[in-house]
Amino acid sequence: EAQVTQNPRYLITVTGKKLTVTCSQNMNHEYMSWYRQDPGLGLRQIYYSMNVEVTDKGDVPEGYKVSRKEKRNFPLILESPSPNQTSLYFCASRSDRVGYTEAFFGQGTRLTVV
Amino acid sequence: AQTVTQSQPEMSVQEAETVTLSCTYDTSESDYYLFWYKQPPSRQMILVIRQEAYKQQNATENRFSVNFQKAAKSFSLKISDSQLGDAAMYFCAYRSAVGTGTASKLTFGTGTRLQVTL
Repeated sequence: EAQVTQNPRYLITVTGKKLTVTCSQNMNHEYMSWYRQDPGLGLRQIYYSMNVEVTDKGDVPEGYKVSRKEKRNFPLILESPSPNQTSLYFCASRSDRVGYTEAFFGQGTRLTVV
Repeated sequence: AQTVTQSQPEMSVQEAETVTLSCTYDTSESDYYLFWYKQPPSRQMILVIRQEAYKQQNATENRFSVNFQKAAKSFSLKISDSQLGDAAMYFCAYRSAVGTGTASKLTFGTGTRLQVTL
């Protein structure tokens, strides 16, 4: 089954404690992105990757890091989480082939930083 | 930069009735895609319908259809014969069809919460 898998689904952590949210896709997609969803703001892109070792900032990258060492994986790293990073996070992937427009989303990770 | 505006934070519709959710966007590009995503309480993002800007014909998927007005930069979603399972948050989204970095990003509106009543 084609899917994007995020882990964990829920996470409560303390300020300053480094954490990683994993994302893996099994569709051999080139594009992968991270978004955060906040009430009244919709989803906003944090970082994206166009392929292995190619990453770039989205609209709200401060406080986050990413890496793309393998095509299927795109982890999101919060080196020193702060309460303003409490949010719902989504990983998404899509193919770069012409005509393949749909983005596939993971199940979401609810992060609370206290 | 592109922006997407959903001016209806909440909508309500009776079961079996029709409801229209509004979305406007701002862009200087001529080639792009528009999407409606549904987010039920499970939080999963589910693609409802997509529209390519170069296509004049409005997209339709079963009970879901869009009214795409390119000149007005409007992209509304019509849900016919509403069902209880349609209750969810609905997001309108834009993606450029050209370039690399810009084509990587979906720009979302703030969402419309749809309630379906008996």
